[in-house]
Amino acid sequence: KQEVTQIPAALSVPEGENLVLNCSFTDSAIYNLQWFRQDPGKGLTSLLLIQSSQREQTSGRLNASLDKSSGRSTLYIAASQPGDSATYLCAVQDSNYQLIWGAGTKLIIKP
Amino acid sequence: DVKVTQSSRYLVKRTGEKVFLECVQDMDHENMFWYRQDPGLGLRLIYFSYDVKMKEKGDIPEGYSVSREKKERFSLILESASTNQTSMYLCASSLKTGGYQPQHFGDGTRLSIL
Repeated sequence: KQEVTQIPAALSVPEGENLVLNCSFTDSAIYNLQWFRQDPGKGLTSLLLIQSSQREQTSGRLNASLDKSSGRSTLYIAASQPGDSATYLCAVQDSNYQLIWGAGTKLIIKP
Repeated sequence: DVKVTQSSRYLVKRTGEKVFLECVQDMDHENMFWYRQDPGLGLRLIYFSYDVKMKEKGDIPEGYSVSREKKERFSLILESASTNQTSMYLCASSLKTGGYQPQHFGDGTRLSIL
């Protein structure tokens, strides 16, 4: 059964730093991997989607990579800002098109 | 823009009550989903629906049921609420799968069972 893990559960960094969030999954037979952002008390907003045949995707200051063979993805955030403070979740989509979720990393950017 | 609206942001109910959580989407999406989100566990799928009057069990359907009488509305029902159903409930919708279609989420309902 697919399991998705995000480490660390929480991360606090000063404003302006570059940072990396990690996501690992146990079964490499995925359809795609997605990164979402969740603000406190809110729903989820999709940030980036990487198809299983792709290695990375970029959107502004965000870059997500995918290494299917090792079961890992990273979300790189450049020049972090206080507005980046949120919980970041990754999810893999399996062959049944269902999403399997990590528990998230709570990110705090200190001004 | 797709809008997924959950009827209540916060809800407090008592043990044993029958509880209805409502979700409406305005983009004619075929697929609708109910998740619960608990600290340290991520999102877990309760039920989903691929079409009107169709429903499929997710990973944790026990204690819940759903209703999809109209395409735009997907209701989650707690038949007899218990304290372990205190959680954040998230509704999502997407176009019918035939390849990947992104899920669009509502803002969630934080449900407390006393």
